[in-house]
Amino acid sequence: QKEVEQNSGPLSVPEGAIASLNCTYSDRGSQSFFWYRQYSGKSPELIMSIYSNGDKEDGRFTAQLNKASQYVSLLIRDSQPSDSATYLCAAPPNSGNTPLVFGKGTRLSVIA
Amino acid sequence: NAGVTQTPKFQVLKTGQSMTLQCAQDMNHNSMYWYRQDPGMGLRLIYYSASEGTTDKGEVPNGYNVSRLNKREFSLRLESAAPSQTSVYFCASSDGTHQPQHFGDGTRLSIL
Repeated sequence: QKEVEQNSGPLSVPEGAIASLNCTYSDRGSQSFFWYRQYSGKSPELIMSIYSNGDKEDGRFTAQLNKASQYVSLLIRDSQPSDSATYLCAAPPNSGNTPLVFGKGTRLSVIA
Repeated sequence: NAGVTQTPKFQVLKTGQSMTLQCAQDMNHNSMYWYRQDPGMGLRLIYYSASEGTTDKGEVPNGYNVSRLNKREFSLRLESAAPSQTSVYFCASSDGTHQPQHFGDGTRLSIL
């Protein structure tokens, strides 16, 4: 069973809209979750982390965690064409004290 | 402020050749990682090093070896390259063990 699942997209939203990116994970014991942004041809960059149920806001970005339902979301308000990228969700693996497992990523396209 | 530096940026090899990918970080981070990224597969961990002198296998270690030469440097070696190892390779570093914080620009490796 894949540990972190994401819809590969592409997700297309108009400029100014809210983009909603979703991720599900298999380990109920996971305590921390991370979102990375990767522009085409570039390396990933860490943009958000969330450790507890509820919302965490950072500028136009909001991470949402629901441990009971085992999903984590990233909302991007007032989406801009510069937000067009692939967004990778990551969580600790099911077993062992080892680094994060990444989802395959969701490609977001913001249309001007 | 270099961050994580990878060399080379591009490389073409023939099947059976060997090579070493170099990675260095200047942030005094304890942990370093090697990932590969293939189309539609997300980031997969090859090896990581939680501290100087230690290395551990990740999800896809077969065909690779690593050396944590000192706190700054973490190299990845392909002893006998195979076409299945054609990929983009990213090195990353972090303070802690679980989530990579900074990525290098990547090495695009093609094996014919």
